Amino acid sequence: GENVEQHPSTLSVQEGDSAVIKCTYSDSASNYFPWYKQELGKRPQLIIDIRSNVGEKKDQRIAVTLNKTAKHFSLHITETQPEDSAVYFCAAEEAGFQKLVFGTGTRLLVSP
Amino acid sequence: DAGVIQSPRHEVTEMGQEVTLRCKPISGHDYLFWYRQTMMRGLELLIYFNNNVPIDDSGMPEDRFSAKMPNASFSTLKIQPSEPRDSAVYFCASSLLYSNQPQHFGDGTRLSIL
Repeated sequence: GENVEQHPSTLSVQEGDSAVIKCTYSDSASNYFPWYKQELGKRPQLIIDIRSNVGEKKDQRIAVTLNKTAKHFSLHITETQPEDSAVYFCAAEEAGFQKLVFGTGTRLLVSP
Repeated sequence: DAGVIQSPRHEVTEMGQEVTLRCKPISGHDYLFWYRQTMMRGLELLIYFNNNVPIDDSGMPEDRFSAKMPNASFSTLKIQPSEPRDSAVYFCASSLLYSNQPQHFGDGTRLSIL
């Protein structure tokens, strides 16, 4: 089955800096990779996703890159703001199934 | 779009009691997922349904846990008897039939077993 590893587990940046979170996956047949943001006490919310037919996708200050050869994908947040502080989860859809395998999460803290 | 609706939002009960968590998926979604989230184990998939049929329940921790989906708009997760180690946040999520579709999460049920 699919296995997803996520790094770092915690990330502290100053407001305005960029933040990068990296994930690797094990199954080369996986082709859907969403990212979720979870604020304290709230539900995970989809912020961006990427499918294997593209290498990069952007949405304002957020971008995701995918390297299928190396089996890794990354979340990039530019011009970070305090409201970006949350736990971020990457995931990969297990090929042939509809279920997601989640990484262990990255706690991002953006200091003013 | 009302989103995925879960009830109750919070549940506090004593060990040994039966607990029933409820979920209403987004209308038109064919897949429904139950997750458990704890600090120690992160986000764990317990079971998921396709068109009301359980597809994979390998994540259900033990026989004390059971889940049903009697129709397309309702699912329950039951714990009987409950134990303190079942304390966690339980999320329900739903998605469309096709692959490469995002899952949409409900607000979760925070369960505390005393």
